[in-house]
Amino acid sequence: QKEVEQNSGPLSVPEGAIASLNCTYSDRGSQSFFWYRQYSGKSPELIMSIYSNGDKEDGRFTAQLNKASQYVSLLIRDSQPSDSATYLCAARNSGGSNYKLTFGKGTLLTVNP
Amino acid sequence: GAVVSQHPSWVICKSGTSVKIECRSLDFQATTMFWYRQFPKQSLMLMATSNEGSKATYEQGVEKDKFLINHASLTLSTLTVTSAHPEDSSFYICSATDRGDEQYFGPGTRLTVT
Repeated sequence: QKEVEQNSGPLSVPEGAIASLNCTYSDRGSQSFFWYRQYSGKSPELIMSIYSNGDKEDGRFTAQLNKASQYVSLLIRDSQPSDSATYLCAARNSGGSNYKLTFGKGTLLTVNP
Repeated sequence: GAVVSQHPSWVICKSGTSVKIECRSLDFQATTMFWYRQFPKQSLMLMATSNEGSKATYEQGVEKDKFLINHASLTLSTLTVTSAHPEDSSFYICSATDRGDEQYFGPGTRLTVT
């Protein structure tokens, strides 16, 4: 069973702080990883993808991947109240060509003004 | 780019009737589309994967005769919930990919069965 695990939270940080979201995955063959943001009542929105070990930065977001540890993280710098949402970690399953993703259950982030 | 639309955004239907939900990729050709269901405060549950011109592949436990999926073109997939019951009330979301790894989600359809 391919699994993606996330702390469900809630994770609460003050405005301007760094929010750190973590994720582990069980399928060692996974090569592609994604972070989605989902506001309450809305569908997920892709915010970051990462394929190689190391860091990938995009604005206030930094994704980190460590394939040896099967660990993915997302850092949000200068957190804003508008970042308050559920963050979903996803890994593309290895094998086959159907691009299916396995999602974690999500971490609820609250940024307090 | 990479915009996916869904229609309708919400629908209310009576128990026993059928409801069709459309998913369209607006600015790219979607070789593969996915259908998810999400109950309140729960994570996404993949229902099925559809490839253009092929039969959909359903996840374990999803009734293929109840949830009919058609992927007739590279920009359109439809999900029909047949003989809907109140327990089918949920948030249905499609996503699409164009042979890349990234999946782009539609805005979702909220179904309420009375």
